[in-house]
Amino acid sequence: EVQLVESGGDTVKPGGSLRLSCAASGFTFSSYAMHWVRQAPGKGLEWVSSISRTSDYIYYADSVKGRFTISRDNAKNSLSLQMNSLRAEDTAVYFCAREALSGYTNDYWGQGTLVTISS
Amino acid sequence: DVVMTQSALSLPVILGQPASISCRSSQSLVHSDGNTYLDWFHQRPGQSPRRLIYKISNRDSGVPDRFSGSGSGTDFTLKISRVEAEDVGVYYCMQGTHWPPTFGGGTKVEIK
Repeated sequence: EVQLVESGGDTVKPGGSLRLSCAASGFTFSSYAMHWVRQAPGKGLEWVSSISRTSDYIYYADSVKGRFTISRDNAKNSLSLQMNSLRAEDTAVYFCAREALSGYTNDYWGQGTLVTISS
Repeated sequence: DVVMTQSALSLPVILGQPASISCRSSQSLVHSDGNTYLDWFHQRPGQSPRRLIYKISNRDSGVPDRFSGSGSGTDFTLKISRVEAEDVGVYYCMQGTHWPPTFGGGTKVEIK
């Protein structure tokens, strides 16, 4: 069974940093591109960042470029999101999601971890 | 970025009756490879999104056949043939054809 379990969410002050993790199991992690998608409270879904299978290709939404860094450790079946210079508008539930082998779609999502930016 | 528009924010439905959710994209979602990467997701309160439909009309494993997707180009529809209580929640369309992937604003299905 495919499982994606996020962790690391917390309440931090504006300007602070946080590192999210996503533990993957039930599939060959190294064979799949991975994504982070976020959802502000009561709002819709926003793609944040993507990383290819071997980390050769990395992409960010304009809203987080220069502040967030996505990475993965295929030996540990783990995806991470380092978040720096956090702003109030970064407050959201952050989901990790697996990209399907065929590409262009996310077929499995984790349960999410809540990040709250507040002074 | 491609804008995905779900015109109905809320859709009151009667149990056992059909329901239809529409999604429109700001440009054609036909990929250069000939596929159209339009998905539908269902999110129950407090849960993560679950993919129901991919490439317009392909149901994911375990998705009841009362769910069907249709459309082409820029206009897409998710239909529920007979709404059940477990179908409440928010439905999102998502396009993966153009980078970056973008989502519709969501349509909340609730029982009338």
